Amino acid sequence: AQTVTQSQPEMSVQEAETVTLSCTYDTSESDYYLFWYKQPPSRQMILVIRQEAYKQQNATENRFSVNFQKAAKSFSLKISDSQLGDAAMYFCASGGGADGLTFGKGTHLIIQP
Amino acid sequence: KAGVTQTPRYLIKTRGQQVTLSCSPISGHRSVSWYQQTPGQGLQFLFEYFSETQRNKGNFPGRFSGRQFSNSRSEMNVSTLELGDSALYLCASSYRGAFSTDTQYFGPGTRLTVL
Repeated sequence: AQTVTQSQPEMSVQEAETVTLSCTYDTSESDYYLFWYKQPPSRQMILVIRQEAYKQQNATENRFSVNFQKAAKSFSLKISDSQLGDAAMYFCASGGGADGLTFGKGTHLIIQP
Repeated sequence: KAGVTQTPRYLIKTRGQQVTLSCSPISGHRSVSWYQQTPGQGLQFLFEYFSETQRNKGNFPGRFSGRQFSNSRSEMNVSTLELGDSALYLCASSYRGAFSTDTQYFGPGTRLTVL
């Protein structure tokens, strides 16, 4: 079984600033992946970034990067140079087991112009 | 490649009715997973189909069922609708699905309202 916890229901950041969204997880899988998905008001779930658990190097995708701390079971998302289009719900998820993806409750990110 | 498509996008039904939702995966993907999203419970895994077989199922009653066709398109059926079934139903496709580390790509969802 897997559990994912996002402790920040809402975060606010000024445009062009940097924000970090927190996520902790627990899993019994030996081989698993971690994801951050973005869900804008359109409700379409969009993949932001993924991290292979066996890799020590943190994943990066343009302005998005993760801080993966395997021993601490922590997987935070850093968004640099925040833009208005980044406003959305962000979901942390773990996968690789039998039960599809397990999602956290989400963090609502607000971008202040 | 075209993305995951879901039809219809919106549905309104009354209690006791049944409903069928459809999902067409990305070309070449053999796995389709279904999720229910509600404000209270968040995103919950319903089931996964792979090569026309249900491979995994989440903790949902038997009123929720599905199937997958030879072209990998999947349908989800909910019988005897209850008010609590009102939700956004998302499907996601991937090449290998559960037990793999393939990324799941989501469709736009079907918003079901039960009156």
